[in-house]
Amino acid sequence: NAGVTQTPKFQVLKTGQSMTLQCAQDMNHEYMSWYRQDPGMGLRLIHYSVGAGITDQGEVPNGYNVSRSTTEDFPLRLLSAAPSQTSVYFCASSYSGSYTEAFFGQGTRLTVV
Amino acid sequence: SQQGEEDPQALSIQEGENATMNCSYKTSINNLQWYRQNSGRGLVHLILIRSNEREKHSGRLRVTLDTSKKSSSLLITASRAADTASYFCAGGGSNYKLTFGKGTLLTVNP
Repeated sequence: NAGVTQTPKFQVLKTGQSMTLQCAQDMNHEYMSWYRQDPGMGLRLIHYSVGAGITDQGEVPNGYNVSRSTTEDFPLRLLSAAPSQTSVYFCASSYSGSYTEAFFGQGTRLTVV
Repeated sequence: SQQGEEDPQALSIQEGENATMNCSYKTSINNLQWYRQNSGRGLVHLILIRSNEREKHSGRLRVTLDTSKKSSSLLITASRAADTASYFCAGGGSNYKLTFGKGTLLTVNP
């Protein structure tokens, strides 16, 4: 059982480049979310989805785009990378949003230079 | 904004001692969850306590919840070096969002 899989694990981008962080889960969870983790800031919610075709903004959505075409996949797109987006990104899924436990991927460490 | 605020920010104890971490939250919640994060890894769910529960146990973990004070505590008994990690509380609201605090870094010295 793979759980939540994130790729890539590490990435270095130049300012202005775009990229997509991949997230896939095999637990048939409806709810998926993206967080960023910065030192001393805990985890902050970027975007979330309550099912295929339904997405919404979290606390820090600016500069990021998401779509949910399937239950399994929830990619996060950086439109034009900025140094302020240097962070560790985590994808999570759960059966029923905040009502049940969340399962996390191993994270993507992104550096924007 | 952060839902939970953990206290202390860092805690260092000896193996075999108990570790207590506290969490305060701001808005009403349906449940309060605790997660562990080992260095460089993803978060792992430890325990969930619902708003109508006051105390919950899981192995060496004991969680309490006081909704009148908007606070929770996580007690790890008989700590081991392998318990060294960051611990986060997260408030589960009615809007499907799980909101995390900034975490407590626990170091258990052998």
